[in-house]
Amino acid sequence: SYVLTQPPSVSVAPGEAARVTCGGDNIGGKNVHWYQQKPGQAPVVVMYNDNDRPSGIPERFSGSNSGNTATLTISRVGAGDEADYYCQVWDSSSDHYVFGTGTKVTVL
Amino acid sequence: ELQLVESGGGLVQPGRSLRLSCTASGFTFGEYAMHWVRLVPGKGLEWVSGINWLGDRVNYADSVKGRVTISRDNAKNSLYLQMNSLRSEDMALYYCAKDKGPEFRSGYVDYWGQGTLVTVSS
Repeated sequence: SYVLTQPPSVSVAPGEAARVTCGGDNIGGKNVHWYQQKPGQAPVVVMYNDNDRPSGIPERFSGSNSGNTATLTISRVGAGDEADYYCQVWDSSSDHYVFGTGTKVTVL
Repeated sequence: ELQLVESGGGLVQPGRSLRLSCTASGFTFGEYAMHWVRLVPGKGLEWVSGINWLGDRVNYADSVKGRVTISRDNAKNSLYLQMNSLRSEDMALYYCAKDKGPEFRSGYVDYWGQGTLVTVSS
């Protein structure tokens, strides 16, 4: 089955950029989507199709996808960005949705 | 306003069954694929099952295949998950989730419910 690997945690100073990676075999050939989940809340999609932002998501959020790594970048990070972030793809070979292992973003 | 409201969770003994329900409102339920996704404590999100808009295409994660059945009733704007032979590893917060499109190819979830908690313990 297809596996998506994320770093367990990323720490960043306020105002700096946080980069969350998502590794998978030839992930560059798939559409990658990203979700933000804060404690006690349902997940929210913050990026879809690699680099498209849903309405209401700040321009500080951007995405890229190439080769074996997709990246979600959060510029000018603030306390409100502290959350767990998950990448997700559709795996055509199994016809499954697959979520990454999740990354906790901490603002120092 | 779009809403997904799950119900049916609770405490259940290992080996027993549970049926989760999700009632949708605020959108045309019958036009979208739907999913069940669970948040496993200390582990993260795990896709459990998906069903297309018509209900004639379903799929399951390997971890639940053979023990779980997803279904929908478009006339009642409802999604279901029948869970049998429950195990401790099934313990999680189960979310009902709406797909962006009618099928779940290259798609993603654009709305989530608040979840219903399933606890498996003797």
